[in-house]
Amino acid sequence: DADVTQTPRNRITKTGKRIMLECSQTKGHDRMYWYRQDPGLGLRLIYYSFDVKDINKGEISDGYSVSRQAQAKFSLSLESAIPNQTALYFCATSDYGEQYFGPGTRLTVT
Amino acid sequence: ELKVEQNPLFLSMQEGKNYTIYCNYSTTSDRLYWYRQDPGKSLESLFVLLSNGAVKQEGRLMASLDTKARLSTLHITAAVHDLSATYFCAVENSGYSTLTFGKGTMLLVSP
Repeated sequence: DADVTQTPRNRITKTGKRIMLECSQTKGHDRMYWYRQDPGLGLRLIYYSFDVKDINKGEISDGYSVSRQAQAKFSLSLESAIPNQTALYFCATSDYGEQYFGPGTRLTVT
Repeated sequence: ELKVEQNPLFLSMQEGKNYTIYCNYSTTSDRLYWYRQDPGKSLESLFVLLSNGAVKQEGRLMASLDTKARLSTLHITAAVHDLSATYFCAVENSGYSTLTFGKGTMLLVSP
């Protein structure tokens, strides 16, 4: 079984809808991250969490929120989706330093 | 603010040739990572470079880190088609334990 899982893997939604992307990990890491990837822009950090009670904004947090339900679970929400949030979203975990990535969620907002 | 720049962003190579991808960064950091991404897939860790002068090799790929020059290189020796992918460098933000990624280098190796 994969160490870092993401659900859903693909999602199409309409402008204005609320959507939640979920991430679970079995690596026992305290640190979890959400990134978005856009063609030609690399990965950009949305939010990160170093433990259940620690949530931090990343480079591009506007329009997103997160919830750290447990050490192993970190969810990303789009409160009111807009078309420019169409992207590939990755969750990652780490102990110290090297990050391990989930398979990604491809989100399309129409 | 840490900025990470990769060059080139696109690289088309012939099999058997050698080439180097460069990763420059703007502020002090002692930790740098290289990842590989196949189309439509996730990121796979290739190398972890944790100190000045670090050199790591795996197969036809070799990565090095010069923290004084704020430069890492990923050298490809005798390229083969299976190396076709996008390669990212990521630099640790000192004091924050987060990573800033370069935009990636798309490598295409053809016969």
